[in-house]
Amino acid sequence: GAGVSQSPSNKVTEKGKDVELRCDPISGHTALYWYRQSLGQGLEFLIYFQGNSAPDKSGLPSDRFSAERTGGSVSTLTIQRTQQEDSAVYLCASSLFPPGTSGKHEQFFGPGTRLTVL
Amino acid sequence: GENVEQHPSTLSVQEGDSAVIKCTYSDSASNYFPWYKQELGKGPQLIIDIRSNVGEKKDQRIAVTLNKTAKHFSLHITETQPEDSAVYFCAASSPYSSASKIIFGSGTRLSIRP
Repeated sequence: GAGVSQSPSNKVTEKGKDVELRCDPISGHTALYWYRQSLGQGLEFLIYFQGNSAPDKSGLPSDRFSAERTGGSVSTLTIQRTQQEDSAVYLCASSLFPPGTSGKHEQFFGPGTRLTVL
Repeated sequence: GENVEQHPSTLSVQEGDSAVIKCTYSDSASNYFPWYKQELGKGPQLIIDIRSNVGEKKDQRIAVTLNKTAKHFSLHITETQPEDSAVYFCAASSPYSSASKIIFGSGTRLSIRP
């Protein structure tokens, strides 16, 4: 079946411009996560959506970052007034169940969007 | 909150030898410990996981062990092959923390020498 897809795969932008990154999770998955991975680094949690609950935004590094998840499916991560330090790979993941439950909550990751801010 | 430390950051082993990656966690309530493998240019993929009611789990050439008392867990890869070269992440989650929080280690870059 189809996995998690992300678009674009690569994005080059100029400092100060806004960018939108898109994530299509696996159909039926209730949980959706965004992570940032800087070159050679680990996974930095950004934001989490679970069903119709209010998202957990505790990982967003600044108010320039925001995300939406429409209709419990597609999600968009928006970065306003991009800075060079925003350059990284942005990974989206979805899971059937959220962590902390007895159900399978394996996270399925998309291939990521590589963002370069010049 | 939960903190996961992973060692080593890089590991190079001869093809056919074993590789061991170790992680420690801080939250004694953590009860789920997945391991993810990330190949170049791809997103991480779950390769094995373990829950706190189990001390060891095996799947062919990979195994994970958990020491709840010491708050340690480890990934063991035996008879390593070139396709095992990748970055490996451990993670931990607790049912009592925020539901969103699966905390990942910083990753281990494993290289298999032919």
